[in-house]
Amino acid sequence: DAGVTQSPTHLIKTRGQHVTLRCSPISGHKSVSWYQQVLGQGPQFIFQYYEKEERGRGNFPDRFSARQFPNYSSELNVNALLLGDSALYLCASSDQRGLGELFFGEGSRLTVL
Amino acid sequence: GNSVTQMEGPVTLSEEAFLTINCTYTATGYPSLFWYVQYPGEGLQLLLKATKADDKGSNKGFEATYRKETTSFHLEKGSVQVSDSAVYFCALETSYDKVIFGPGTSLSVIP
Repeated sequence: DAGVTQSPTHLIKTRGQHVTLRCSPISGHKSVSWYQQVLGQGPQFIFQYYEKEERGRGNFPDRFSARQFPNYSSELNVNALLLGDSALYLCASSDQRGLGELFFGEGSRLTVL
Repeated sequence: GNSVTQMEGPVTLSEEAFLTINCTYTATGYPSLFWYVQYPGEGLQLLLKATKADDKGSNKGFEATYRKETTSFHLEKGSVQVSDSAVYFCALETSYDKVIFGPGTSLSVIP
C-alpha cells in the first residue's frame, strides 16, 4: 500500500509569492494534519482536517490556509511568502481511532528567496 | 501551555553503548506520549508510544516509560547500533492528531 505522498518534493519561491502543497493520505485514512519543520527544530502543528472540516489550528498567521477534499487529500496554501516560511512542510494522516499514530510523508521542502 | 523538552544533542556513542535521551513534558490532562524517529533521508516515523501513566512503550530494542509523577518519558536502549543513527523526537498528543514535538536529539553511533 502507498504511504502518505506529498508534492512537490522541493520548490523555490520568492518573497510575496504564493505556494500550494499537496498531500494524499494513506488509503482509508480520513484525517490529515500539516506540520512545519524548520531546519534543526521539531515539527510545529499547523492544521488538522477530518472529514473535510478543520478541527485544529496551530499558531500560524492567516496567510496559511488549508482544505481537505472529498477523497481526503489535502492542500496547504501559503500566501505572501516570507523568508521565514522556508521549511520542510510535512503532511501526516491517521485513521483517527485515537491510537495516536501519525503516518508522515517525506515532506515538501520550500525555499523562499 | 503544553510543551516538550528534551536533551540537546548531538549525541555521539560507540556501537553497543547504552543510550538515554531525556524527555520531560508539560501538559494539562493526561496526554499520550510518543517517540518519533527521523532516519537520514527518510520521513518521520513512530518509534514507540505510551497512552497512560506507568505504561512502557517498546520497539526495536528501545523503551520508554510514562512517568506521571516526574512528567518524563525518557528513551533508552541497552546497546545501540550504527543503524540507530537518526534524529529522535519526543512528543505528546493533546487531542486527536494534534501532536506537540520536542526540538529533537541527533544521535550518531560510530563503529
